Amino acid sequence: RKEVEQDPGPFNVPEGATVAFNCTYSNSASQSFFWYRQDCRKEPKLLMSVYSSGNEDGRFTAQLNRASQYISLLIRDSKLSDSATYLCVVTIPGYSSASKIIFGSGTRLSIRP
Amino acid sequence: ETGVTQTPRHLVMGMTNKKSLKCEQHLGHNAMYWYKQSAKKPLELMFVYSLEERVENNSVPSRFSPECPNSSHLFLHLHTLQPEDSALYLCASSHTSGTGVLSVHYNEQFFGPGTRLTVL
Repeated sequence: RKEVEQDPGPFNVPEGATVAFNCTYSNSASQSFFWYRQDCRKEPKLLMSVYSSGNEDGRFTAQLNRASQYISLLIRDSKLSDSATYLCVVTIPGYSSASKIIFGSGTRLSIRP
Repeated sequence: ETGVTQTPRHLVMGMTNKKSLKCEQHLGHNAMYWYKQSAKKPLELMFVYSLEERVENNSVPSRFSPECPNSSHLFLHLHTLQPEDSALYLCASSHTSGTGVLSVHYNEQFFGPGTRLTVL
């Protein structure tokens, strides 16, 4: 089982739609969670951190479910500019070395007019 | 300049060449990272430096050799690479708490634009 798994998509939705992706992780000791966004041929950029109580930033809502070991990202009122690949990132505290940083393979989102 | 910069942006090299990738961060961070991004695969963490000390080496082949002379600069020295090493190499930086092997990396990473490497 992969340490971090994402549905690769692509998700193709109309402008204005609500879309949600999940990311599952296998290590229950995982401690920090993030969503990054990567545009085509560009570097990843942080979209939002994911907090235990869930958090919202404008049209974006991130949630963490520790019991089921997944995080989610909800995008409301999607815009054309939301088209990108969304990367889930999990960090796991290390025992003999620094914490591990694991990226998911990403979910592609395409918003159509 | 601001943020994280990488040079060169594109590199083509033969299997017998020796080249170096350079990364510079202007954010006052204390940790720097090298990642490899291949087509259809997730980002793979190669090396982590915290306070200029290497704290993570994810079983990367010895043909990749990192160097971190100070907290703002990171190099990746390449020699006798293979065609399967062709990929986008991304540098990132962040704040980290702790030092050395006890350092933890829970904060946002800022990425450079990457070097697209092709090995012939």
